[in-house]
Amino acid sequence: GESVGLHLPTLSVQEGDNSIINCAYSNSASDYFIWYKQESGKGPQFIIDIRSNMDKRQGQRVTVLLNKTVKHLSLQIAATQPGDSAVYFCAENGSGGSNYKLTFGKGTLLTVNP
Amino acid sequence: DGGITQSPKYLFRKEGQNVTLSCEQNLNHDAMYWYRQDPGQGLRLIYYSQIVNDFQKGDIAEGYSVSREKKESFPLTVTSAQKNPTAFYLCASSTPGTGVYGYTFGSGTRLTVV
Repeated sequence: GESVGLHLPTLSVQEGDNSIINCAYSNSASDYFIWYKQESGKGPQFIIDIRSNMDKRQGQRVTVLLNKTVKHLSLQIAATQPGDSAVYFCAENGSGGSNYKLTFGKGTLLTVNP
Repeated sequence: DGGITQSPKYLFRKEGQNVTLSCEQNLNHDAMYWYRQDPGQGLRLIYYSQIVNDFQKGDIAEGYSVSREKKESFPLTVTSAQKNPTAFYLCASSTPGTGVYGYTFGSGTRLTVV
């Protein structure tokens, strides 16, 4: 049967603070990682991606850090705004190379308090 | 503008009915996917298709069926065999052959059993 639903990890921050959302991935062969943002009732939207030959990549107000040694991925959001409130998912491409299916993490709910 | 369109946005199903969710993309993407999302949970893969006239079961395919007769279209049928179909359904597409593994998601269909 289906597993019992689990509560999402949550992160609550004050407007203007920096946010750090963490993700542990499982497959050491993954060579592509991506972060998505999902607002309530909407489909996930691409935020930023990183390949395994990089440790860090920056976008507009967002930075992704990749630590392959401990299989850890993080998303940093600078000067968090109320519009950043959403669920954030990390994803990896599993076995890497020609594997086109992404494996998604459970997600983290970010709440920004004004 | 290119994109992926899901319809309808809301769908109500009576017990014992089959319903079909539409997913259309004009991105010229080869691969398409269907995910189910329950409240507070991550994305679970139902079916995926890498090319026209071919599709594979995902992790929770029981009670669902798909077809891929055209590159642009990947409809999902929720059959009466699916005992708990109330959920948010997301369609996605990608073009892994280019080395870009990220998905583009639709805006979702919320299915409710009445």
